[in-house]
Amino acid sequence: SQTIHQWPATLVQPVGSPLSLECTVEGTSNPNLYWYRQAAGRGLQLLFYSVGIGQISSEVPQNLSASRPQDRQFILSSKKLLLSDSGFYLCAWNTGTGSYEKLFFGSGTQLSVL
Amino acid sequence: AQSVTQLGSHVSVSEGALVLLRCNYSSSVPPYLFWYVQYPNQGLQLLLKYTTGATLVKGINGFEAEFKKSETSFHLTKPSAHMSDAAEYFCAVSDEGGTSYGKLTFGQGTILTVHP
Repeated sequence: SQTIHQWPATLVQPVGSPLSLECTVEGTSNPNLYWYRQAAGRGLQLLFYSVGIGQISSEVPQNLSASRPQDRQFILSSKKLLLSDSGFYLCAWNTGTGSYEKLFFGSGTQLSVL
Repeated sequence: AQSVTQLGSHVSVSEGALVLLRCNYSSSVPPYLFWYVQYPNQGLQLLLKYTTGATLVKGINGFEAEFKKSETSFHLTKPSAHMSDAAEYFCAVSDEGGTSYGKLTFGQGTILTVHP
């Protein structure tokens, strides 16, 4: 069976510090991988998606970056966090190219930038 | 551009009462529509989805939703609420066509509270 791991579950970081959130998927190969963010009072916003190793598409300009060093590993990073980076970050995966394909989500990381 | 509006960030019902969570969308193409649920301390799970065909879609845990094109709505219902239904619910829309991968546009979420 497939599983998705996302860590850490919670993170408190000072403004200006770096960030690294990691997501790994098990039990499948060549998944599409996604990073979503939910800011307080707002819907989930797609930040990045990747259809293969080293292939990253950014949906919105921001202070964050993503990398996919391995087939089933997706990393969200920042060199210097801003207060506005606070939010709930979710990693997700699916297979195939259809936009109807079911997404499987990780349990999320609650990031507080102080 | 697509958008999703969920009316009511918080909905409270009594156990056994009807659950109705509202979702309206805008899309320039025929949409795929989804409802996801997030239980406390868990990731989102797919409840149900509409792609084509029958407009009344049944999902897990007794939930169903009806796609109404004329109203651009996809409201989620359950005839009788259970305490275990307490969670946050997200409506989402995606372009038809198979070219946009899993790029869903989500609503802001509705927290459902069920009281005895």
